[in-house]
Amino acid sequence: SQTIHQWPATLVQPVGSPLSLECTVEGTSNPNLYWYRQAAGRGLQLLFYSVGIGQISSEVPQNLSASRPQDRQFILSSKKLLLSDSGFYLCAGERTGSGYTFGSGTRLTVV
Amino acid sequence: AQSVTQLGSHVSVSEGALVLLRCNYSSSVPPYLFWYVQYPNQGLQLLLKYTSAATLVKGINGFEAEFKKSETSFHLTKPSAHMSDAAEYFCAVSDSNFGGFKTIFGAGTRLFVKA
Repeated sequence: SQTIHQWPATLVQPVGSPLSLECTVEGTSNPNLYWYRQAAGRGLQLLFYSVGIGQISSEVPQNLSASRPQDRQFILSSKKLLLSDSGFYLCAGERTGSGYTFGSGTRLTVV
Repeated sequence: AQSVTQLGSHVSVSEGALVLLRCNYSSSVPPYLFWYVQYPNQGLQLLLKYTSAATLVKGINGFEAEFKKSETSFHLTKPSAHMSDAAEYFCAVSDSNFGGFKTIFGAGTRLFVKA
């Protein structure tokens, strides 16, 4: 089975500071990987997805970026955080048709 | 284009009562359908999935859902609610040809269970 490890669980960052959230996958090789953001009281917004090393697709324009340096590693980054970047960030892995396995999430508060 | 609508952002039931969470979908190709549960400050957990096999799908924690093509629905039910079922539930539809790339999540339904 697939396990998604995500850290940190909570993060408070000042406006304008950089961001790096890491997600690693255990138990599956060559998974499709996703970064979602969940704002308070809202559904999930797909930010990025990756089908393989170095392959990133962005769903929404923003000041965030993603990278996949290794098959089982997916990183969400920002050079300068905005207040609007606050939210609950979820990494997910997927095998086609099997549904997602989600990490436990990172709650980011930009102050 | 795919879409999913969850009817009711909040549902409240008494402990022991039937749970019914409604989901309607739109898809131009045979869909994969999913229900996920999210407890506070946690990631989502897959409850059950429909991938064109049996139309009645049984999941974890006593939940089940029935795929009704004629009604484009995939409602989630549980015969008897337990306090531990209080959480947010998300319905999702995925393009069977593209897998997760085309997964669309509903806005979620928060389930409250009263003692």
